[in-house]
Amino acid sequence: KNQVEQSPQSLIILEGKNCTLQCNYTVSPFSNLRWYKQDTGRGPVSLTIMTFSENTKSNGRYTATLDADTKQSSLHITASQLSDSASYICVVSATSGTYKYIFGTGTRLKVLA
Amino acid sequence: KAGVTQTPRYLIKTRGQQVTLSCSPISGHRSVSWYQQTPGQGLQFLFEYFSETQRNKGNFPGRFSGRQFSNSRSEMNVSTLELGDSALYLCATAEQGAENEQFFGPGTRLTVL
Repeated sequence: KNQVEQSPQSLIILEGKNCTLQCNYTVSPFSNLRWYKQDTGRGPVSLTIMTFSENTKSNGRYTATLDADTKQSSLHITASQLSDSASYICVVSATSGTYKYIFGTGTRLKVLA
Repeated sequence: KAGVTQTPRYLIKTRGQQVTLSCSPISGHRSVSWYQQTPGQGLQFLFEYFSETQRNKGNFPGRFSGRQFSNSRSEMNVSTLELGDSALYLCATAEQGAENEQFFGPGTRLTVL
């Protein structure tokens, strides 16, 4: 069964600290993996997208990694800011089949001053 | 460029009614995908339209349908509403296809009473 699991479910950190969010998937056949940031009441915004051959991709203070062998991805946030408070969603795309996009349920991050 | 717009932003319906939601893509975007987001299930893919044709479909009952017009605007219809249809409905658009970077709209919050 195609699944995407994210951990932790929620996280609270202090401003300026780093954090890492995890995404494990069992989607096959794998096409790509994306991380989205979703602020409360708004649509998700793409942070990174990685294909099978990519190990790391950065977008400012956000760095995503992908291990296609273990089917794991992480999103590392450096020097967190209050504006990083949001839900972070991992999405894995399959190249064929009915379920083309499989979404994780997200990690809710709260950054405190 | 203007972003993805969705109308209405909020909607309250009763069981058994039907509803139509609208999505206007970013200028030049021909792919429109629809998603349902609920607290328990997260984001789930409904369907994707490209050049007025449904190109991909998720695992939702036939009560959920959509269409795309020649100007790429898309509508989603839900008939015989059920309480469980209460959710945030998001559309996302892309230039060529949903495999490329998608840009999400703010969503339509549907409440079924």
